[in-house]
Amino acid sequence: SAVISQKPSRDICQRGTSLTIQCQVDSQVTMMFWYRQQPGQSLTLIATANQGSEATYESGFVIDKFPISRPNLTFSTLTVSNMSPEDSSIYLCSVERTRGTGELFFGEGSRLTVL
Amino acid sequence: AQSVTQLGSHVSVSEGALVLLRCNYSSSVPPYLFWYVQYPNQGLQLLLKYTSAATLVKGINGFEAEFKKSETSFHLTKPSAHMSDAAEYFCAVSEGDSSYKLIFGSGTRLLVRP
Repeated sequence: SAVISQKPSRDICQRGTSLTIQCQVDSQVTMMFWYRQQPGQSLTLIATANQGSEATYESGFVIDKFPISRPNLTFSTLTVSNMSPEDSSIYLCSVERTRGTGELFFGEGSRLTVL
Repeated sequence: AQSVTQLGSHVSVSEGALVLLRCNYSSSVPPYLFWYVQYPNQGLQLLLKYTSAATLVKGINGFEAEFKKSETSFHLTKPSAHMSDAAEYFCAVSEGDSSYKLIFGSGTRLLVRP
């Protein structure tokens, strides 16, 4: 099993600022995923972070708004840039437990509130 | 594209009663189907997964789900609810050949009354 640590667990941010969320996994994984869970809604995949290559973004999400780093096989960051109140969400990092199974492990999430 | 529909944003049952959470998916041939649970202030945990090996899938904490191709359903059940089952439950389907790319339903919040 994988243990996933996210930081910060929560933050209150001002409009127009940017915040970087860190995700640390206790074992090496090929792909890491970033999801967004808006208030009262389900999870939406933002992007897939591959080590050694550019992240792959889903429709509706762009690199300028959500730049992602993946410097090694156990760590990734997601930056939420130029935040607005609409970005208030829980951002979750996840990894596939065993490659090819679709079984995801999730971090506890980072709850962002943008004022 | 795949989609998942969960009927009922909130379900309330008495402790000891049957739990039934409904999930329907858009395709008749889904690669994988999942149920995840999210306890308050925690990340999601995998409850169970369907992979075509058996239509009735048993998961953790006494939950199980039955895949019904004719109804494109994957409803989650538990014979007897416990107070600790109160949580948000998400049904998910993997998309096409990308087994890791999950499409989540809108979630159902289970309330358990004493």
